[in-house]
Amino acid sequence: DGGITQSPKYLFRKEGQNVTLSCEQNLNHDAMYWYRQDPGQGLRLIYYSQIVNDFQKGDIAEGYSVSREKKESFPLTVTSAQKNPTAFYLCASIWDRDRHRGEQYFGPGTRLTVT
Amino acid sequence: QQQVKQSPQSLIVQKGGISIINCAYENTAFDYFPWYQQFPGKGPALLIAIRPDVSEKKEGRFTISFNKSAKQFSLHIMDSQPGDSATYFCAASTFWGYQKVTFGTGTKLQVIP
Repeated sequence: DGGITQSPKYLFRKEGQNVTLSCEQNLNHDAMYWYRQDPGQGLRLIYYSQIVNDFQKGDIAEGYSVSREKKESFPLTVTSAQKNPTAFYLCASIWDRDRHRGEQYFGPGTRLTVT
Repeated sequence: QQQVKQSPQSLIVQKGGISIINCAYENTAFDYFPWYQQFPGKGPALLIAIRPDVSEKKEGRFTISFNKSAKQFSLHIMDSQPGDSATYFCAASTFWGYQKVTFGTGTKLQVIP
Protein backbone atom coordinates (compact mmCIF):
# COMPACT_ATOMS: atom_id res chain seq x y z
CA ASP A 1 0.00 0.00 0.00
CA GLY A 2 1.24 3.45 -0.88
CA GLY A 3 1.33 6.07 1.77
CA ILE A 4 3.27 8.21 4.21
CA THR A 5 4.71 6.80 7.40
CA GLN A 6 5.84 8.81 10.37
CA SER A 7 7.69 7.44 13.31
CA PRO A 8 7.47 7.30 16.17
CA LYS A 9 3.82 8.00 16.94
CA TYR A 10 4.69 9.41 20.37
CA LEU A 11 8.00 10.95 21.35
CA PHE A 12 9.13 12.28 24.70
CA ARG A 13 12.24 14.36 25.20
CA LYS A 14 13.88 16.45 27.85
CA GLU A 15 14.25 20.15 27.27
CA GLY A 16 17.53 21.03 25.63
CA GLN A 17 17.77 17.85 23.54
CA ASN A 18 17.51 17.73 19.78
CA VAL A 19 15.08 15.20 18.38
CA THR A 20 14.52 13.91 14.83
CA LEU A 21 11.12 12.94 13.47
CA SER A 22 10.99 10.51 10.59
CA CYS A 23 8.85 10.85 7.45
CA GLU A 24 8.91 8.34 4.61
CA GLN A 25 6.68 8.12 1.54
CA ASN A 26 6.36 5.52 -1.20
CA LEU A 27 3.96 7.53 -3.34
CA ASN A 28 6.73 8.74 -5.65
CA HIS A 29 5.73 12.29 -4.77
CA ASP A 30 8.16 15.07 -5.49
CA ALA A 31 7.18 17.66 -2.92
CA MET A 32 7.11 17.06 0.82
CA TYR A 33 6.05 19.27 3.69
CA TRP A 34 6.25 19.49 7.46
CA TYR A 35 3.45 21.09 9.46
CA ARG A 36 2.98 21.75 13.11
CA GLN A 37 -0.50 21.48 14.61
CA ASP A 38 -1.49 23.15 17.86
CA PRO A 39 -5.00 23.27 19.31
CA GLY A 40 -7.05 26.07 17.78
CA GLN A 41 -4.31 27.12 15.36
CA GLY A 42 -4.77 24.85 12.40
CA LEU A 43 -1.73 23.65 10.51
CA ARG A 44 1.33 25.85 10.18
CA LEU A 45 4.04 25.18 7.62
CA ILE A 46 7.55 24.55 8.98
CA TYR A 47 9.55 23.49 5.92
CA TYR A 48 8.89 22.22 2.43
CA SER A 49 10.96 20.50 -0.23
CA GLN A 50 10.14 20.31 -3.91
CA ILE A 51 13.06 18.14 -5.01
CA VAL A 52 15.91 16.16 -3.54
CA ASN A 53 18.66 18.23 -1.91
CA ASP A 54 16.50 21.34 -1.91
CA PHE A 55 14.24 22.67 0.82
CA GLN A 56 12.82 26.01 1.88
CA LYS A 57 11.65 27.58 5.11
CA GLY A 58 7.95 27.85 5.74
CA ASP A 59 6.15 30.22 8.07
CA ILE A 60 7.57 28.94 11.37
CA ALA A 61 11.01 27.46 10.57
CA GLU A 62 12.92 28.88 13.54
CA GLY A 63 14.27 26.11 15.76
CA TYR A 64 13.78 23.41 13.13
CA SER A 65 15.98 21.85 10.47
CA VAL A 66 15.39 19.34 7.67
CA SER A 67 17.22 17.32 5.05
CA ARG A 68 16.14 15.77 1.76
CA GLU A 69 18.81 13.33 0.67
CA LYS A 70 16.33 10.90 -0.88
CA LYS A 71 13.04 11.48 -2.65
CA GLU A 72 11.28 9.17 -0.21
CA SER A 73 12.54 10.70 3.01
CA PHE A 74 12.18 14.11 4.65
CA PRO A 75 13.25 14.01 8.33
CA LEU A 76 12.60 16.94 10.64
CA THR A 77 14.91 17.83 13.52
CA VAL A 78 13.47 19.82 16.38
CA THR A 79 16.41 21.60 17.95
CA SER A 80 16.87 22.95 21.44
CA ALA A 81 16.41 26.42 19.96
CA GLN A 82 12.70 25.80 19.39
CA LYS A 83 11.03 27.63 22.28
CA ASN A 84 7.83 25.62 22.47
CA PRO A 85 8.38 22.27 20.74
CA THR A 86 5.52 20.29 22.28
CA ALA A 87 3.04 19.77 19.43
CA PHE A 88 1.61 17.36 16.90
CA TYR A 89 3.83 17.19 13.81
CA LEU A 90 2.46 16.23 10.42
CA CYS A 91 4.34 15.31 7.28
CA ALA A 92 2.65 15.64 3.90
CA SER A 93 3.45 15.14 0.26
CA ILE A 94 2.01 16.15 -3.06
CA TRP A 95 2.36 14.74 -6.54
CA ASP A 96 4.03 17.28 -8.78
CA ARG A 97 1.26 17.02 -11.34
CA ASP A 98 -1.17 18.00 -8.60
CA ARG A 99 0.82 21.09 -7.79
CA HIS A 100 -2.05 23.33 -8.77
CA ARG A 101 -4.64 21.40 -6.87
CA GLY A 102 -3.54 21.64 -3.27
CA GLU A 103 -4.34 17.99 -2.59
CA GLN A 104 -1.86 16.97 0.04
CA TYR A 105 -1.47 13.48 1.44
CA PHE A 106 -0.72 13.41 5.15
CA GLY A 107 1.06 10.95 7.38
CA PRO A 108 -0.43 9.83 10.72
CA GLY A 109 1.60 12.36 12.69
CA THR A 110 4.04 12.33 15.59
CA ARG A 111 3.08 13.78 18.93
CA LEU A 112 6.16 15.29 20.55
CA THR A 113 6.20 16.14 24.23
CA VAL A 114 9.15 18.02 25.67
CA THR A 115 9.44 18.41 29.42
CA GLN B 1 -4.12 38.36 3.03
CA GLN B 2 -3.00 34.76 3.30
CA GLN B 3 -5.48 33.92 6.03
CA VAL B 4 -8.42 31.63 5.78
CA LYS B 5 -10.98 32.32 8.49
CA GLN B 6 -13.07 29.39 9.64
CA SER B 7 -16.15 29.23 11.85
CA PRO B 8 -17.47 27.94 14.13
CA GLN B 9 -14.66 26.62 16.25
CA SER B 10 -16.86 23.81 17.50
CA LEU B 11 -20.23 22.43 16.51
CA ILE B 12 -22.66 19.97 18.06
CA VAL B 13 -25.30 18.48 15.77
CA GLN B 14 -27.91 15.83 16.35
CA LYS B 15 -27.77 12.67 14.31
CA GLY B 16 -29.60 13.22 11.03
CA GLY B 17 -29.13 16.97 11.13
CA ILE B 18 -27.16 19.26 8.83
CA SER B 19 -23.68 20.40 9.83
CA ILE B 20 -22.52 23.66 8.30
CA ILE B 21 -18.98 25.03 8.49
CA ASN B 22 -18.04 28.35 6.94
CA CYS B 23 -14.79 29.76 5.63
CA ALA B 24 -13.73 33.09 4.18
CA TYR B 25 -10.60 34.20 2.39
CA GLU B 26 -9.06 37.42 1.11
CA ASN B 27 -6.47 36.42 -1.45
CA THR B 28 -8.03 36.18 -4.90
CA ALA B 29 -5.01 34.23 -6.13
CA PHE B 30 -6.29 31.12 -4.37
CA ASP B 31 -7.43 28.69 -7.03
CA TYR B 32 -8.27 25.49 -5.19
CA PHE B 33 -10.32 24.99 -2.04
CA PRO B 34 -10.05 21.60 -0.35
CA TRP B 35 -11.65 20.40 2.86
CA TYR B 36 -9.83 17.99 5.12
CA GLN B 37 -11.25 15.67 7.76
CA GLN B 38 -9.14 14.71 10.75
CA PHE B 39 -9.91 12.10 13.39
CA PRO B 40 -8.18 12.30 16.79
CA GLY B 41 -4.56 11.20 16.65
CA LYS B 42 -4.60 10.88 12.87
CA GLY B 43 -3.40 12.97 9.97
CA PRO B 44 -5.91 14.98 7.93
CA ALA B 45 -7.40 13.37 4.84
CA LEU B 46 -8.87 15.11 1.83
CA LEU B 47 -12.65 15.05 1.97
CA ILE B 48 -13.83 17.14 -0.96
CA ALA B 49 -12.50 20.07 -2.98
CA ILE B 50 -13.74 22.74 -5.34
CA ARG B 51 -12.37 25.19 -7.89
CA PRO B 52 -13.57 28.81 -7.93
CA ASP B 53 -15.29 28.44 -11.30
CA VAL B 54 -17.86 26.10 -9.74
CA SER B 55 -20.53 27.25 -7.28
CA GLU B 56 -21.32 23.89 -5.76
CA LYS B 57 -19.89 20.40 -5.56
CA LYS B 58 -21.56 17.42 -4.01
CA GLU B 59 -20.08 14.08 -3.04
CA GLY B 60 -22.46 11.83 -1.18
CA ARG B 61 -23.60 13.61 1.97
CA PHE B 62 -20.90 16.29 1.65
CA THR B 63 -21.47 19.49 -0.32
CA ILE B 64 -19.25 22.52 -0.84
CA SER B 65 -20.95 25.80 -1.64
CA PHE B 66 -18.71 28.47 -3.11
CA ASN B 67 -19.42 32.18 -3.44
CA LYS B 68 -16.61 33.74 -5.44
CA SER B 69 -17.84 37.33 -5.19
CA ALA B 70 -18.13 37.11 -1.40
CA LYS B 71 -14.91 35.10 -1.13
CA GLN B 72 -16.65 32.57 1.04
CA PHE B 73 -17.16 28.84 0.92
CA SER B 74 -18.86 26.37 3.17
CA LEU B 75 -19.13 22.66 3.87
CA HIS B 76 -22.52 21.10 4.40
CA ILE B 77 -22.81 17.62 5.85
CA MET B 78 -26.29 16.26 5.29
CA ASP B 79 -27.79 13.55 7.49
CA SER B 80 -24.89 13.89 9.92
CA GLN B 81 -23.79 10.67 11.59
CA PRO B 82 -21.80 9.98 14.77
CA GLY B 83 -19.01 8.67 12.53
CA ASP B 84 -18.69 12.18 11.08
CA SER B 85 -17.46 13.42 14.45
CA ALA B 86 -14.03 14.82 13.64
CA THR B 87 -12.19 18.08 13.10
CA TYR B 88 -12.72 19.69 9.72
CA PHE B 89 -10.27 22.07 8.11
CA CYS B 90 -10.99 24.26 5.15
CA ALA B 91 -8.02 25.28 3.06
CA ALA B 92 -7.12 27.41 0.11
CA SER B 93 -4.18 26.90 -2.16
CA THR B 94 -2.29 28.40 -5.01
CA PHE B 95 1.06 27.97 -6.62
CA TRP B 96 3.63 30.47 -5.36
CA GLY B 97 6.72 28.77 -6.78
CA TYR B 98 5.56 25.84 -4.70
CA GLN B 99 2.17 24.51 -3.80
CA LYS B 100 1.20 26.68 -0.86
CA VAL B 101 -1.79 25.57 1.15
CA THR B 102 -3.29 27.85 3.78
CA PHE B 103 -5.44 26.13 6.36
CA GLY B 104 -8.30 27.41 8.45
CA THR B 105 -8.13 26.92 12.20
CA GLY B 106 -10.45 23.92 12.20
CA THR B 107 -13.96 23.06 13.41
CA LYS B 108 -14.49 20.27 15.89
CA LEU B 109 -17.76 18.56 14.99
CA GLN B 110 -19.59 16.33 17.39
CA VAL B 111 -22.63 14.44 16.16
CA ILE B 112 -24.74 13.17 19.04
CA PRO B 113 -27.14 10.24 18.73
